[in-house]
Amino acid sequence: RKEVEQDPGPFNVPEGATVAFNCTYSNSASQSFFWYRQDCRKEPKLLMSVYSSGNEDGRFTAQLNRASQYISLLIRDSKLSDSATYLCVVNDPNSGYALNFGKGTSLLVTP
Amino acid sequence: NAGVTQTPKFQVLKTGQSMTLQCAQDMNHNSMYWYRQDPGMGLRLIYYSASEGTTDKGEVPNGYNVSRLNKREFSLRLESAAPSQTSVYFCASSEFVFGDLPPLHFGNGTRLTVT
Repeated sequence: RKEVEQDPGPFNVPEGATVAFNCTYSNSASQSFFWYRQDCRKEPKLLMSVYSSGNEDGRFTAQLNRASQYISLLIRDSKLSDSATYLCVVNDPNSGYALNFGKGTSLLVTP
Repeated sequence: NAGVTQTPKFQVLKTGQSMTLQCAQDMNHNSMYWYRQDPGMGLRLIYYSASEGTTDKGEVPNGYNVSRLNKREFSLRLESAAPSQTSVYFCASSEFVFGDLPPLHFGNGTRLTVT
């Protein structure tokens, strides 16, 4: 079983739409959670960390549900520039320092 | 600010050849990592170094060796390249904070093709 699982998409949405991505993780002992963004043929870049109480950064909202072991990312008022692949990332409690990446969810925002 | 610098950006090898991918960071980070990214597989950890002088295997270490030369540099070596090692390789670093796992800063990647 893959440690971190995401719906690969693609999600095609019009500008201004709200879109949500979910991610599930397998190890209940995981403590650190992140969303990364990766543009085509570029390196991943941190979008936001995910905190237990949920957190917001502008148009982006991240939620964590420990009981169900899933993380979500909500993007409001989508922009063309939001088109990218979004990676769910969870720490590996067995290693202490390693992060496990999901395969990513592809988002295309259209005019 | 350079951040994490990887060299080379592109490389083509023949099966059986060897090469070393170089990575350096100027952020004074303790931890450094090597990942590979393949279509449909996502990012997979090859090796990591929690601090200078230590290295540990990740998910897919076979066929690779690493050296943490000093705090700044972490190299990845392919002793005998195979077509299955065709991939995009990313180096990353992070600043360890006790009791927390900070996010990673990635280099631009090395696109390696093994024929």
